[in-house]
Amino acid sequence: SAVISQKPSRDICQRGTSLTIQCQVDSQVTMMFWYRQQPGQSLTLIATANQGSEATYESGFVIDKFPISRPNLTFSTLTVSNMSPEDSSIYLCSADQGAGELFFGEGSRLTVL
Amino acid sequence: GQQLNQSPQSMFIQEGEDVSMNCTSSSIFNTWLWYKQDPGEGPVLLIALYKAGELTSNGRLTAQFGITRKDSFLNISASIPSDVGIYFCAGQLSTGANSKLTFGKGITLSVRP
Repeated sequence: SAVISQKPSRDICQRGTSLTIQCQVDSQVTMMFWYRQQPGQSLTLIATANQGSEATYESGFVIDKFPISRPNLTFSTLTVSNMSPEDSSIYLCSADQGAGELFFGEGSRLTVL
Repeated sequence: GQQLNQSPQSMFIQEGEDVSMNCTSSSIFNTWLWYKQDPGEGPVLLIALYKAGELTSNGRLTAQFGITRKDSFLNISASIPSDVGIYFCAGQLSTGANSKLTFGKGITLSVRP
């Protein structure tokens, strides 16, 4: 299985600022995804990170708020822009090596004051 | 949209007991996956099921893909304290470009020593 590393693992941010989360996979993967997990809740898909093209966003999520990059087959970033306390969440990167089994990073725990 | 139903929200069992968790959907999935999430960690894949009726084991865990493709169950036998965590079911329509997962709300399992 792929090993997925996320940075930062946690951060405390001021409202109105932006934070970029990095996701590094130890092998090339076909698909990468970004999920959000609000406190005590399940995982909600934000977007599919497409290599070399714009991400595909799920309903309720927009590029201006959550810009995503995926410059190659092993790396992606998610930016949470103009943060508010409602953005306090765990943001999880996941990857699919092609067999349909998604593996997850340990998550980035964001607190917005 | 697709929804996965897991209930109850919490389960409390005695160490050594067996426990069964169900997951149902309003629509068909072609792959079912079960994940476990420990506090402060990302979800870890336990079992993946690819065919209706499939029964798969992983140590003390057994999971089945329902015949209707709208449900799955996970059994844990002879529970131990480290089984504590949140168990999520997830459904997937296909691999590749549609390999994104839809998650249930999760069941928090507590094991009394």
